Amino acid sequence: DAGVIQSPRHEVTEMGQEVTLRCKPISGHDYLFWYRQTMMRGLELLIYFNNNVPIDDSGMPEDRFSAKMPNASFSTLKIQPSEPRDSAVYFCASSRFTGTGRANTGELFFGEGSRLTVL
Amino acid sequence: AQKITQTQPGMFVQEKEAVTLDCTYDTSDPSYGLFWYKQPSSGEMIFLIYQGSYDQQNATEGRYSLNFQKARKSANLVISASQLGDSAMYFCAMRGEPQSGGSYIPTFGRGTSLIVHP
Repeated sequence: DAGVIQSPRHEVTEMGQEVTLRCKPISGHDYLFWYRQTMMRGLELLIYFNNNVPIDDSGMPEDRFSAKMPNASFSTLKIQPSEPRDSAVYFCASSRFTGTGRANTGELFFGEGSRLTVL
Repeated sequence: AQKITQTQPGMFVQEKEAVTLDCTYDTSDPSYGLFWYKQPSSGEMIFLIYQGSYDQQNATEGRYSLNFQKARKSANLVISASQLGDSAMYFCAMRGEPQSGGSYIPTFGRGTSLIVHP
């Protein structure tokens, strides 16, 4: 089975440009998470969706960041305008809620990440 | 709120020796799951091992075992017979069980960098 697929793997852009990161979760997974990883702050949860609905976006740093999940198989994270401090690795992860105890605390499946560099 | 603490920013171990990576957690959730992930220099996050708070036995997966001490709220990862390929960042994480009122949002520690010497 295909894992979580992210694109692009690497993105280099100039300050002020719009950046769109894409994610395809594992089929059948109903939770999708966007994380940002930096040396200074570690892994930060930006936003997560349940059944395509954004549940908690309190981790989104600014209004420049937005995320959508138009259907169960696709999500985007957009930064507009981008700034050098947005440089980081952005991970998408998905998991499946089964409704029963043990499996309900199952692991996240991560994509390979999108490394963003804003010059 | 959930909290994960990894107090060792870096660890060194000789090849073929065992190493323990520390993880302590804090939660008020009645049931929860604990995880360890490995992040090699290539950047991907690789799931290693899972422990449920209600599991009576410590989890094991090949050379990985989880030393789970519920009363002390610790979930240390033990890697036996270290290999050069084990050099990576290791993250401890947890999430609660929504049906029990827990937080389903995964919480990650800051990670421990492990270097295996030949």
